[in-house]
Amino acid sequence: QVQLQESGPGLVKPSETLSLTCTVSGGSVTSGSYYWSWIRQPPGKGLEWIGCIYYSGSTKYNPSLKSRVTISVDTSKNQFSLKLNSVAAADTAVYYCAGGIGYQDYWGQGPLVTVSS
Amino acid sequence: EIVLTQSPATLSLSPGERATLSCRASQSVSNYLAWYQQKPGQAPRLLIYDASNRATGIPARFSGSGFGTDFTLTISSLEPEDFAVYYCQQRSNWPPELFTFGPGTKVDIK
Repeated sequence: QVQLQESGPGLVKPSETLSLTCTVSGGSVTSGSYYWSWIRQPPGKGLEWIGCIYYSGSTKYNPSLKSRVTISVDTSKNQFSLKLNSVAAADTAVYYCAGGIGYQDYWGQGPLVTVSS
Repeated sequence: EIVLTQSPATLSLSPGERATLSCRASQSVSNYLAWYQQKPGQAPRLLIYDASNRATGIPARFSGSGFGTDFTLTISSLEPEDFAVYYCQQRSNWPPELFTFGPGTKVDIK
């Protein structure tokens, strides 16, 4: 059973970079046909897909966030990561990492990341 | 960009009743549509993929239907643990280029 666990700071200052890492266990980030996503959810609101990275290493991003987002993978650590630049209060959200073949079969628990000075 | 709308926003029902949730896409998504359930404080859980296929371990009371722009999630007889928020999600083709979620339908106890 694939399990995902996010890690990273829970508080980020405005204009700085939000960085999160997702550790995959019970599976490999290089598993064929798998892709690994980041999804966020502002408090009390709905889900927003941020982007994903494929087992091949190629990436796809939400057009509304594309200019600020980078998703990368570290195969030696079986992890994938999210960087979101120039954050503002509107980026405060629970950030989930997720993985699957066609959709998001597996999810991390999702830490709340607050943007505040 | 494909926009998903869900209706109703809130559905108030009693245990044992049938729940019918709707998801409509602004343009055809073929059968590339999934449904997720989210309970307070928890991550979403995949229920249905490719419009009508139950994910692993999902009870048979959950069923999905639809194609193109109109989709339905049906819970045949609500159990107490089914009261939650339900989101539909579309993916554009394969390999996925973009995912979008609908705004959600909250199923609460009447």
